[in-house]
Amino acid sequence: AQTVTQSQPEMSVQEAETVTLSCTYDTSESNYYLFWYKQPPSRQMILVIRQEAYKQQNATENRFSVNFQKAAKSFSLKISDSQLGDTAMYFCAFMSGAGTASKLTFGTGTRLQVTL
Amino acid sequence: DAGVTQSPTHLIKTRGQQVTLRCSPKSGHDTVSWYQQALGQGPQFIFQYYEEEERQRGNFPDRFSGHQFPNYSSELNVNALLLGDSALYLCASSLMVQGASEETQYFGPGTRLLVL
Repeated sequence: AQTVTQSQPEMSVQEAETVTLSCTYDTSESNYYLFWYKQPPSRQMILVIRQEAYKQQNATENRFSVNFQKAAKSFSLKISDSQLGDTAMYFCAFMSGAGTASKLTFGTGTRLQVTL
Repeated sequence: DAGVTQSPTHLIKTRGQQVTLRCSPKSGHDTVSWYQQALGQGPQFIFQYYEEEERQRGNFPDRFSGHQFPNYSSELNVNALLLGDSALYLCASSLMVQGASEETQYFGPGTRLLVL
């Protein structure tokens, strides 16, 4: 079974600064997908970024980028130019690429606080 | 373009009662997954529905059951409620492509269930 580990329960960053959230995972599969989701206090889970394991290039979405290290099974999220609206819980998630097994396996989350 | 919707937003039940939660997928999506998120934890996969059938199931007892309708909407039913069933229930929709749901899952706002 796959596991996802987020070792930083809480983090804080000042507005306009850069922060990196860590995520490691364990799988024996070679084809899979990784995601970062954001859950603000409104509790809606919002997709931040997606990475396909077969792609060597790291995914980027505006101020959000990932550092995907397949051999190390590491998938960190970098937020540049942090904004107050980035305050939220951030969850790393794994999805198997093995055909029918499409459930998401989540980590325990990192609570990010952006301060003035 | 309507996103994923869920109803009700909040619900209070007593132990032993039964509850039904509803989900309408994002326009164009045909697959619905349900997750349970206990306070302070990451979401846990309950089950997934496609073509009106349960396609995959997580580690949840038979008290948790579901249904998918021809219009792709879905219901989650929980019987004989326990205090431990208190949680945020999230619905996510996606699109099955060539028999494999490797597409990104988009989440609804959730239903907060409190069991007294």
